[in-house]
Order: sequence, then C-alpha cells, then structure tokens
Amino acid sequence: ETGVTQSPTHLIKTRGQQVTLRCSSQSGHNTVSWYQQALGQGPQFIFQYYREEENGRGNFPPRFSGLQFPNYSSELNVNALELDDSALYLCASSLWGLANYGYTFGSGTRLTVV
Amino acid sequence: LAKTTQPISMDSYEGQEVNITCSHNNIATNDYITWYQQFPSQGPRFIIQGYKTKVTNEVASLFIPADRKSSTLSLPRVSLSDTAVYYCLVGDSGAGSYQLTFGKGTKLSVIP
Repeated sequence: ETGVTQSPTHLIKTRGQQVTLRCSSQSGHNTVSWYQQALGQGPQFIFQYYREEENGRGNFPPRFSGLQFPNYSSELNVNALELDDSALYLCASSLWGLANYGYTFGSGTRLTVV
Repeated sequence: LAKTTQPISMDSYEGQEVNITCSHNNIATNDYITWYQQFPSQGPRFIIQGYKTKVTNEVASLFIPADRKSSTLSLPRVSLSDTAVYYCLVGDSGAGSYQLTFGKGTKLSVIP
C-alpha cells in the first residue's frame, strides 16, 4: 500500500508568480484535502475534493484553486503569489465516510515566496 | 466545529509516561476525538481516535471522561523519538463536507 506523495518537496517562487503543487493519493482513497501550515502553526484547511468536485473550502481567497483527477490525484494552484503564501503545503487523502480515522498526510511541499 | 485547548509545550524524561490533556467544552454529540503527531517538515500522523471512555492501541491510550469535555492522550515510556508536536482534534466522523481543524498543538520535548 503506497502512502500520499507530494511534489515537489521544495519550491522557490517570486511574488506575483503562479505555482502548481501535486499530490498522489493513497491507494483506495477517493477524497483529497489540502492544508497550509505556516511556521509554528497548525495546518489550516484550504479545500477538499471528492470525486473531482470541491465539497468543502476554508477561509482562503479564490486565487487558491484545485483539481482532482479521475485517478484521485490532485493539484493545488496558487495565483498571484504573495510573501505570506510561504508555508508548508500538505495534502491528505481519505476514504469518504471515514473522515477522522482515515486521513493520511503527505510530507508536504515547502513553498518560499521571495 | 468544537474549539480545543491544549498546553503549548511539555517536557519529559525518557522512560516516563506522558499525559497531554485537551479541553473541548463545546463538543457535539456526533464528534469524535482524534490525536495526531507531527515531526518537523512532515505531515501529521494519526495516533488514536475515541468517542468515550478509554481506547488503547499499540502506541498510546486515550482517556475520555463521561462528560467528554476533555480528553487525555497517554504515551507510555516515551523515548527521544517521541519529541514532536501533538494535536487534538474534535469533529464529526460522518459523511459530508468535513475539515480537520488543527490548533497550535502541544510541543513535547523528551529529555535524555
């Protein structure tokens, strides 16, 4: 059984640019969610996808968008990057209906905006 | 979503039992209590989940009193590798739009 894999592991972007982060869900999982974790803080929920549809969103602006593909892999896109977007971005997959118990997190992508 | 309160940090010596208590005064009837562990630059890892009374697995125990307004994660005989941040989460495990709400967690430091 494979876990959740994220790419790239590290990324440096310039303010105003756009970035795409990728996530491969754990085998058998059909739900994916994304989190932003600033230094010293707990992860903050961005949004969740189930069967390619967004079905939950946290308090993040529209320039944070995502996609889930038929194979349940996922992308997080961030437009017009700001310095405060620098953080660890975490992807988590689960099997619908087992939300609490079934969340498996990846190791994250460290994004630095300069 | 129920708000949780837990100590910011704790220190413990190797081999001791560590108890981390989380308060969740407005927990709802359907809410479960879940604990995650996170090492630096890694994603959170599920430790244990419970609804009431006591739950035990191979790495930890979770104690939940009858009123469910608090819970205690117990780590037996900690080692240096248990140094991490521990998060208490409360939420409905049923279907529907669901998000995990993390607080700042408890930073546990295990001392040799």
